[in-house]
Amino acid sequence: NAGVTQTPKFQVLKTGQSMTLQCAQDMNHNSMYWYRQDPGMGLRLIYYSASEGTTDKGEVPNGYNVSRLNKREFSLRLESAAPSQTSVYFCASSGVTGNQETQYFGPGTRLLVL
Amino acid sequence: AQTVTQSQPEMSVQEAETVTLSCTYDTSENNYYLFWYKQPPSRQMILVIRQEAYKQQNATENRFSVNFQKAAKSFSLKISDSQLGDTAMYFCAFMKHGYDMRFGAGTRLTVKP
Repeated sequence: NAGVTQTPKFQVLKTGQSMTLQCAQDMNHNSMYWYRQDPGMGLRLIYYSASEGTTDKGEVPNGYNVSRLNKREFSLRLESAAPSQTSVYFCASSGVTGNQETQYFGPGTRLLVL
Repeated sequence: AQTVTQSQPEMSVQEAETVTLSCTYDTSENNYYLFWYKQPPSRQMILVIRQEAYKQQNATENRFSVNFQKAAKSFSLKISDSQLGDTAMYFCAFMKHGYDMRFGAGTRLTVKP
C-alpha cells in the first residue's frame, strides 16, 4: 500500500524553465493538495482539489497551475520557474477517518531553481 | 484568516522524561479541527494526533496527549516517556470545515540520551 507518492524526489531547474510535479494516491481519497515548505515556516497551501474535476487556490497560488487528472492524480506545474520557488513541495490527500478529515502526505519533492 | 503560532522554535528533553509543546491559534470559527504532525529528518509528514473542536475531551494516542483549551485557543502537545525516535520537527495545524489547513512554523524537538 503506497499511500501518496510523488515524483521526482529532487529537481534542479534554471530560471525560466518549466516542469510538472506528479502526485498519485491509492487510498481512494476525494481531496488532494499541494503545499510548499520553506525554511523556518510551516507548510503553506498552494492549490487543492476537493474532488475530481475541481481545483481551487490556496494561500500561495501565484506562479503555479494544477491539474486533477483523475481521482488518483494531481499534478503541479511551474510554467516559468523563479528562484523564489526553490522549496520542498508536498502533496497530500484526505478522506474521512471516522468523523474527521485527516491529510496524508507524500515524501516531498525538493526543488532548486538557479 | 486563521493563524497558528508555535512560540517555541526549539526544545530539548531527556530520554524518558515528559515535554509539552505549545500552540495557539486565532479563529472566529466554532467548528474546526486541530492536528499535530511530526516531521523527522526524512521530511515525511506523520500525523501524531488530532482533535475536533466540538469535543471537550482531550485526544490521546499512546504516549501523546493534548491539552485543548477552546476558549483560550490553545492546543498543546504532551509527549510522555520521550524516546530518541521522537526527535523531529513538530507542526501544529488548524483546519476549519473545508480544505484550507494552516500550519504553525514548527518546534524542533531534540530528545537527549
